[in-house]
This record gives sequence, structure tokens and C-alpha cells, in this order.
Amino acid sequence: QQQVKQSPQSLIVQKGGISIINCAYENTAFDYFPWYQQFPGKGPALLIAIRPDVSEKKEGRFTISFNKSAKQFSLHIMDSQPGDSATYFCAAHRDDKIIFGKGTRLHILP
Amino acid sequence: EAGVTQFPSHSVIEKGQTVTLRCDPISGHDNLYWYRRVMGKEIKFLLHFVKESKQDESGMPNNRFLAERTGGTYSTLKVQPAELEDSGVYFCASSLYRGTVVRGEQFFGPGTRLTVL
Repeated sequence: QQQVKQSPQSLIVQKGGISIINCAYENTAFDYFPWYQQFPGKGPALLIAIRPDVSEKKEGRFTISFNKSAKQFSLHIMDSQPGDSATYFCAAHRDDKIIFGKGTRLHILP
Repeated sequence: EAGVTQFPSHSVIEKGQTVTLRCDPISGHDNLYWYRRVMGKEIKFLLHFVKESKQDESGMPNNRFLAERTGGTYSTLKVQPAELEDSGVYFCASSLYRGTVVRGEQFFGPGTRLTVL
């Protein structure tokens, strides 16, 4: 049973555009909702994370929007750049475990 | 400072054979984790070591998988005998602290791609 559902599976965005990736979760016991970025040949790396008592977290061009009542959260990448092309994983954290979504392959067209 | 390293980067074995994956965590990190991503699926937690002790092995799929961390430094994950469904990418991660995802940030290695034929 998948605890964190992520969409879309792949995404193509023009340079300068906004990339949006969505996730939904079921378990209300998670204490953090992180996003990971993975480049080919590398492991996932923590990009940005939000606590469930916060509705928005912004770091540079990356913003997490969190809707606790809907059990949904999303990653927005503003002014998307070709260097942002990677696989993005939403996740939920509890008891030292990270529960990942299936990932979104993002490609930014130059 | 070196990150988490994993060896080998790729392994191709036949069904029924044994494979041992190795993970070297960041120096000083007491917490070591194993995860696995099977093709088309999400990355799934396998287990968590604190030093040499298994803190949580709830994600280990079955008794064909054996993880060890002798001396609390590097860790090995042995699959014996390997089955077709064991194919995937095995990630190791380490963290200095436990707790929140930020304070206890897990740093991932590049993974070992295992193919069982």
C-alpha cells in the first residue's frame, strides 16, 4: 500500500516556467514532509522540507505548499532552469524512516 | 569530506547466487540506513542501524536478506539466494543525528544497481 502518492510521473517545462509536482498522503502521524532531488548516478538529496503545522515554506526558487486538511502538498519550482532537470521525490518522515513517493522526472527545455 | 560510498556500483548475478553490497557511511555518523528502489516503484526503507545495533528492520523483505554493521562503521547487505524480484537499486544513507528530517538529515550514497537474471 502506497502511503505517499506522487504525480505526475514525468514533467516537461520550458525554461523560465513554473514546475509543479503534487503529492498526497494518508497517515496523519508523519512529522515532516521533505522533498528530495536526485541527479543521474547520484543518490537522493534533501532539497526542502516542511512541518505539518506550516502551510508554506520557501527557499530560493523552491516552495512547498502544504494543505493539512486535504492531506496534500506540492513543490513549486519558479523560474525553472535546465540545471533543475532531475528526478524529484516527495516524502513523509516518521520514526527515522523516510517514506517516498514514486518520483517525478522533470525535464526543463533550454 | 567524503560522502556516503557504496560498492559495487553495479552487480549482475544469476538467480540463486549470493551478492554482498557494501556501504561506507560518512565518518562519525552512527546512524546508517538501507533503502531499495525496485523498478517503477518507490524507494522503500529496509532497515536502520544505530552504531552496530539494528534499530529497526521492519522493511527487510524476507530472511534471504542479511544486514550487518560490525564495529559500527561500514555495513554490508547480503542477499542469499538472490531472486529475480530482488533486482533494483539499493541505497545506503547515513545521519549524524536522529529525530527530525532536518536535524537528522540522511545523506544518501549513489546506490548499487543489482540485476538478477
